[in-house]
Amino acid sequence: DTGVSQNPRHKITKRGQNVTFRCDPISEHNRLYWYRQTLGQGPEFLTYFQNEAQLEKSRLLSDRFSAERPKGSFSTLEIQRTEQGDSAMYLCASSFDSNTGELFFGEGSRLTVL
Amino acid sequence: AQSVSQHNHHVILSEAASLELGCNYSYGGTVNLFWYVQYPGQHLQLLLKYFSGDPLVKGIKGFEAEFIKSKFSFNLRKPSVQWSDTAEYFCAVNGMTGGGNKLTFGTGTQLKVEL
Repeated sequence: DTGVSQNPRHKITKRGQNVTFRCDPISEHNRLYWYRQTLGQGPEFLTYFQNEAQLEKSRLLSDRFSAERPKGSFSTLEIQRTEQGDSAMYLCASSFDSNTGELFFGEGSRLTVL
Repeated sequence: AQSVSQHNHHVILSEAASLELGCNYSYGGTVNLFWYVQYPGQHLQLLLKYFSGDPLVKGIKGFEAEFIKSKFSFNLRKPSVQWSDTAEYFCAVNGMTGGGNKLTFGTGTQLKVEL
């Protein structure tokens, strides 16, 4: 399968714990995006990378959130000291280096914070 | 800032009925517009997109959408729905402020097609 791959697909954690999600984009895509989706809402933009550079971060991305894309390929999204409000589906998408291109989404990583 | 409003949160139709899902956006400049679909248990995938040119765009599976600039709208239509169209539909906009395909999504419309 050459689509966007995310893991783990599901993560249940206790409040206060740290979690990390990984995204492997489509290999020829330079841009990588993280979105968050909660029940009844559309995906909300968190951050995006062009190659290894993180070019934009949403105000939704608090200090507890950090994203990296160290070699311009896969990316990780870490959430420190999780809170119940962090429970959501975390979506990764990738695209070509174009402002008019389509985003290709992964299946998401669902986080449940108890 | 850009925003997207989808008016119908839940729609139930019988097979062969016609579909129209509303989408309005708020952005003062040039936009690219998208409809994404999420079938049960699957990832978001592109249904159709508008960049420029003919405001009536056709997508996969018989869907089409019309961009009406004066109304800031990009409504999705299908003349005759099928049971397999049951899914959640998201309208999205990318304001061309430069840099990135940062899509802003609407809240989605859950479509259920009954046999």
